[in-house]
Amino acid sequence: QTVVTQEPSFSVSPGGTVTLTCGLSSGSVSASNYPSWYQLTPGRPPRTLIYSTNIRSSGVPDRFAGSMLGDSAALTITGAQADDESEYFCVLFVDSAVWVFGGGTKLTVL
Amino acid sequence: QVQLQESGPRLVKPSQTLSLTCTVADGSISSDAYYWTWIRQLPGKGLECIGYIYYTGNTYYNPSLGSRVTISIDLFKNQFSLKLTSMTAADTAVYYCATHSGDYSYFGSWGQGTLVTVSS
Repeated sequence: QTVVTQEPSFSVSPGGTVTLTCGLSSGSVSASNYPSWYQLTPGRPPRTLIYSTNIRSSGVPDRFAGSMLGDSAALTITGAQADDESEYFCVLFVDSAVWVFGGGTKLTVL
Repeated sequence: QVQLQESGPRLVKPSQTLSLTCTVADGSISSDAYYWTWIRQLPGKGLECIGYIYYTGNTYYNPSLGSRVTISIDLFKNQFSLKLTSMTAADTAVYYCATHSGDYSYFGSWGQGTLVTVSS
């Protein structure tokens, strides 16, 4: 069974930069996995941040950036703000399996 | 951008069937651009794709939910629906409807989500 891996948690200082990663339990992530990223904050619907590796969704500020980093997809947040404190999920399209969600990374800004 | 809104009961008794509806606004459910998807977040856990339906009626269901899931579409009402049978406490979750864009393989629009609790 394919597992999408993410760091369980991360912390960043206000104004700082953090890079979250999204990997595969077996193999490397590539553009053909169409990595996408979502922000999930309690009490709010998920917010689509990035799709197809590095395309920002409408209205998402450019301090959120998607990329490939080694064998993984990556989400970099620059100039972290207090309201960036959320959980971040990635999703990959994996072979004939539909879309597989990662376990999410809880980001703390402090 | 397509707008989505879930509706349905917030409380379901064990063994009963959950029925949720997602109403689509600012777009047509007959569009070939989207897969109409149900996703849930179990308490303290990540997101799980329940399944999806295409405007043609083709469906996909998460194998982990087996035959408990049915997703249907109503082209006239611009709605799609989820039925999940034999509910247990383990199905307590926030349920979201969402669009999945096949072109770039991502979830572009989300409903607000509805917390469904399974309890007697």
